[in-house]
Amino acid sequence: AAGVIQSPRHLIKEKRETATLKCYPIPRHDTVYWYQQGPGQDPQFLISFYEKMQSDKGSIPDRFSAQQFSDYHSELNMSSLELGDSALYFCASSPGLAGSTDTQYFGPGTRLTVL
Amino acid sequence: GQQVMQIPQYQHVQEGEDFTTYCNSSTTLSNIQWYKQRPGGHPVFLIQLVKSGEVKKQKRLTFQFGEAKKNSSLHITATQTTDVGTYFCAGRRLNQGGKLIFGQGTELSVKP
Repeated sequence: AAGVIQSPRHLIKEKRETATLKCYPIPRHDTVYWYQQGPGQDPQFLISFYEKMQSDKGSIPDRFSAQQFSDYHSELNMSSLELGDSALYFCASSPGLAGSTDTQYFGPGTRLTVL
Repeated sequence: GQQVMQIPQYQHVQEGEDFTTYCNSSTTLSNIQWYKQRPGGHPVFLIQLVKSGEVKKQKRLTFQFGEAKKNSSLHITATQTTDVGTYFCAGRRLNQGGKLIFGQGTELSVKP
């Protein structure tokens, strides 16, 4: 079965650079969530989209922005990168309304390293 | 602060022993999901509990949701080396959308 696709899988950036992470949800899933997982920590919710509109916002820095496109893929844009942004970034998708009981399926993640 | 507390943080067991991890939320949850994450991997969905007092079983895994929908547990009977990984509970708070609030996770190691 098709899963969530994330690209790139690994990304190395310098401080103050920008990065763009991409997420392709499972076909027919219209809700996308972004999570950040630091080393040895649990995933922290950043932002979510339903039907191309932002549905919820968590602890996402102002330096980050995201959007969901007409084909339901999503991109997380990160600017002025800091060392503390080094983490695993997961995208998860679900088939239903944001706020439903639908299962969230996680992608393989993008490992961002900021030097 | 952490809104969903999960204990223990680490658990080392001998193969064949049982294992339990517990989650407790400061607020009532609409539902709770359990995930397993292997080192270097991504969270893999195990199960979702929605109803008060719900109990679900998957082979050697038993999941419970408390009557007040504030706590949950995962019990593994007769652990195997393939059970190694970090188990996360993740809850959805009432009227706060679909985002998941994760517990800190319990890292399980199994000695053969």
